[in-house]
Amino acid sequence: DVKVTQSSRYLVKRTGEKVFLECVQDMDHENMFWYRQDPGLGLRLIYFSYDVKMKEKGDIPEGYSVSREKKERFSLILESASTNQTSMYLCASSLRDFFSYEQYFGPGTRLTVT
Amino acid sequence: AQSVTQLDSQVPVFEEAPVELRCNYSSSVSVYLFWYVQYPNQGLQLLLKYLSGSTLVKGINGFEAEFNKSQTSFHLRKPSVHISDTAEYFCAVSLHDSGGSNYKLTFGKGTLLTVNP
Repeated sequence: DVKVTQSSRYLVKRTGEKVFLECVQDMDHENMFWYRQDPGLGLRLIYFSYDVKMKEKGDIPEGYSVSREKKERFSLILESASTNQTSMYLCASSLRDFFSYEQYFGPGTRLTVT
Repeated sequence: AQSVTQLDSQVPVFEEAPVELRCNYSSSVSVYLFWYVQYPNQGLQLLLKYLSGSTLVKGINGFEAEFNKSQTSFHLRKPSVHISDTAEYFCAVSLHDSGGSNYKLTFGKGTLLTVNP
């Protein structure tokens, strides 16, 4: 079974703090994704990576950065957390396979910024 | 750019009743289509997907969906729901092109299915 794990289920941080959210997958997937999920807005893509050290902006990259130094690990960084970044953050991974496209999701990290 | 519209934000039904969750998409190119389910306090898991072939797709837990190209729809159905089907359901689309960002998914805003006894 594919497993995507996220470092924390719940996180509380203060405004202005630097926040790291970690994601690890164990199936040698090339693609990894970070989404945020807000009620009534569904999932919105923040960043994705299609290879080590490669990244592309998603739909809402402002206020976020990412790092992918190893294939299995994809980190989301909030350089200076703000209250409007309080949200559920979901990591996902997938094969770079023309006939696949299925994304496998982690359990999510609920981040509260106070 | 593609977009996905889930026409109902909430659908309450009684146990053993049939249910249909509606999804429409817009895209200028061919697409791949997905339904994901999110149970409370969990991540998303794939219910079913349409890549090509038969337009009627069967998924896990008795769900099925029908791809209708002329109506640009991909509605999800189940003939008889259980309490355990209570969850949020997301429709998603990926572009069918030969390169670039064709592995990105665009999600709808979700439909909360509540099954009551």
